[in-house]
Amino acid sequence: TQLLEQSPQFLSIQEGENLTVYCNSSSVFSSLQWYRQEPGEGPVLLVTVVTGGEVKKLKRLTFQFGDARKDSSLHITAAQPGDTGLYLCAGASSGGYQKVTFGIGTKLQVIP
Amino acid sequence: NAGVMQNPRHLVRRRGQEARLRCSPMKGHSHVYWYRQLPEEGLKFMVYLQKENIIDESGMPKERFSAEFPKEGPSILRIQQVVRGDSAAYFCASSPVGGNSPLHFGNGTRLTVT
Repeated sequence: TQLLEQSPQFLSIQEGENLTVYCNSSSVFSSLQWYRQEPGEGPVLLVTVVTGGEVKKLKRLTFQFGDARKDSSLHITAAQPGDTGLYLCAGASSGGYQKVTFGIGTKLQVIP
Repeated sequence: NAGVMQNPRHLVRRRGQEARLRCSPMKGHSHVYWYRQLPEEGLKFMVYLQKENIIDESGMPKERFSAEFPKEGPSILRIQQVVRGDSAAYFCASSPVGGNSPLHFGNGTRLTVT
């Protein structure tokens, strides 16, 4: 069973601060996805990283895929209250179809 | 474009009753996935279906749970003789093809077993 560990599990910061959350595994993934989930809603895809070492930016969010394709990080610059939510990383394995394994998530609270 | 539609949003069942959860994938999507989410456990894969076929049900309990995705109509996740431990949020996701195409999630059905 492939496991994805996310850290920290909970993070409460002031508006304007920077933060990084991590997603680690002992398994290699063909791609890694980051989702954000708000209470009462389903996860919404933020980004997919495919190539080892890849860096993708989405406004104030920077996503990096580790060289060995086993880990990833999400960095948020100047966090805003609207960034509050549950951030989930998910690893997809190859094998003909997408079987995605999710981490438990990082619950982020940005205080105005 | 309608997203993934799940209904009902909330479902309350007494122990021993049956629960039926429905999922209509996004238009043009023929791959459906069901996940269960518990507060301290994250999203757990249950089953992956294509039209009229179960491709992978390795995450689904062997008893009481079944899923289908008929040629016409929504995908159905059926839980017979529900127990309190079945209380959770059940999410459906769809994708147009397999491979690395991203998953589009519905807003889930929150099942409460009393």
